[in-house]
Amino acid sequence: KNQVEQSPQSLIILEGKNCTLQCNYTVSPFSNLRWYKQDTGRGPVSLTIMTFSENTKSNGRYTATLDADTKQSSLHITASQLSDSASYICVVSLMYNTDKLIFGTGTRLQVFP
Amino acid sequence: GAGVSQSPRYKVAKRGQDVALRCDPISGHVSLFWYQQALGQGPEFLTYFQNEAQLDKSGLPSDRFFAERPEGSVSTLKIQRTQQEDSAVYLCASTIKGADRGSGKLFFGSGTQLSVL
Repeated sequence: KNQVEQSPQSLIILEGKNCTLQCNYTVSPFSNLRWYKQDTGRGPVSLTIMTFSENTKSNGRYTATLDADTKQSSLHITASQLSDSASYICVVSLMYNTDKLIFGTGTRLQVFP
Repeated sequence: GAGVSQSPRYKVAKRGQDVALRCDPISGHVSLFWYQQALGQGPEFLTYFQNEAQLDKSGLPSDRFFAERPEGSVSTLKIQRTQQEDSAVYLCASTIKGADRGSGKLFFGSGTQLSVL
């Protein structure tokens, strides 16, 4: 049973457009939620980290939101660029086992010119 | 080094062969993690070291998988008698302290892609 679900599974957008990726989780209680970007053939790179008490965190054109009540998070990408083409993975950290991260399966984003 | 380094980058093994995957974490990083990532899936936790101590190995799928970090820096993930289902990308990550302590940010290597024929 996947405790971190992401949608859509894949997404195609045109360069310059905005998009929003969704993450729903059932992990409880959780300590923090992270978004990672993973380019093909590379390891994931951290974009944002939010604790359960935070509801938004920005990193350049990336803005993550968190609603701990509904157990939902989103990653909004503004003014997309070709280099944004990658998989975006939502990751949740358990409260009582904070070293074990639970990864979603990711959303594969493709940005076309 | 500047980042987490993993070798080899690609490994092809015949079924039944033993393999050893190496991870060289960022200098000074206390915690080291191994993950297994199947095609089209997110990484799944295998094991975790704090310095040389293996604090959690609950994610290792079978006793054919063994990891060590004898001097608290370089780590090796060994897979004995490889099976086709072991084919995946094996990612190593390190962080200054625990994944949820300090900066909390994990730094990943590029992974070793293992193909078992």
